[in-house]
Amino acid sequence: EAGVAQSPRYKIIEKRQSVAFWCNPISGHATLYWYQQILGQGPKLLIQFQNNGVVDDSQLPKDRFSAERLKGVDSTLKIQPAKLEDSAVYLCASRSIAGRIPGAFFGQGTRLTVV
Amino acid sequence: DQQVKQNSPSLSVQEGRISILNCDYTNSMFDYFLWYKKYPAEGPTFLISISSIKDKNEDGRFTVFLNKSAKHLSLHIVPSQPGDSAVYFCAAGFYNQGGKLIFGQGTELSVKP
Repeated sequence: EAGVAQSPRYKIIEKRQSVAFWCNPISGHATLYWYQQILGQGPKLLIQFQNNGVVDDSQLPKDRFSAERLKGVDSTLKIQPAKLEDSAVYLCASRSIAGRIPGAFFGQGTRLTVV
Repeated sequence: DQQVKQNSPSLSVQEGRISILNCDYTNSMFDYFLWYKKYPAEGPTFLISISSIKDKNEDGRFTVFLNKSAKHLSLHIVPSQPGDSAVYFCAAGFYNQGGKLIFGQGTELSVKP
């Protein structure tokens, strides 16, 4: 079974520029999450999708962050414009509704550096 | 408001000995807890979970203990191996929130040969 795929692995941009991350979840997983992990902290949920609908985006900074999940499969997360404090690893995760474990499967993440 | 806390940023243990990683939480309504392991430049991988109605769950060398009265859980690794060196995250969730997790800050475990 293929895991959660993310790209790019690394990205360096200047502040005020835009950036987009892509995620392909595990096949058949209806739930998809984007987490932000700042250095020295645990992952923090930004947004949660169930199929192509948003379940929870309460911690998404909507003035600069946006996300979509086309056709309930792939997802993109965008930051526009980026700030220095957005430097972090952005983790995508997915989970089957009928999964044996309550947790999610994570991708390798995209490390964003804003300079 | 940090609902899940791991107060030890790092832990060093000798190979073959027991590693004990600790986690405290504030919300007594959590339905389950999980431990994830993370190697550098990789995403977190699921290690072991425990339901809030249990007080122990064991999987090979890994055992998680839950003390609900103290709002505390711990992960025991016996015996510790150098390959266990990684960052360990404690996480908690609710059944009615579709798998959303609240993570602790992580503890970096170093197992020395």
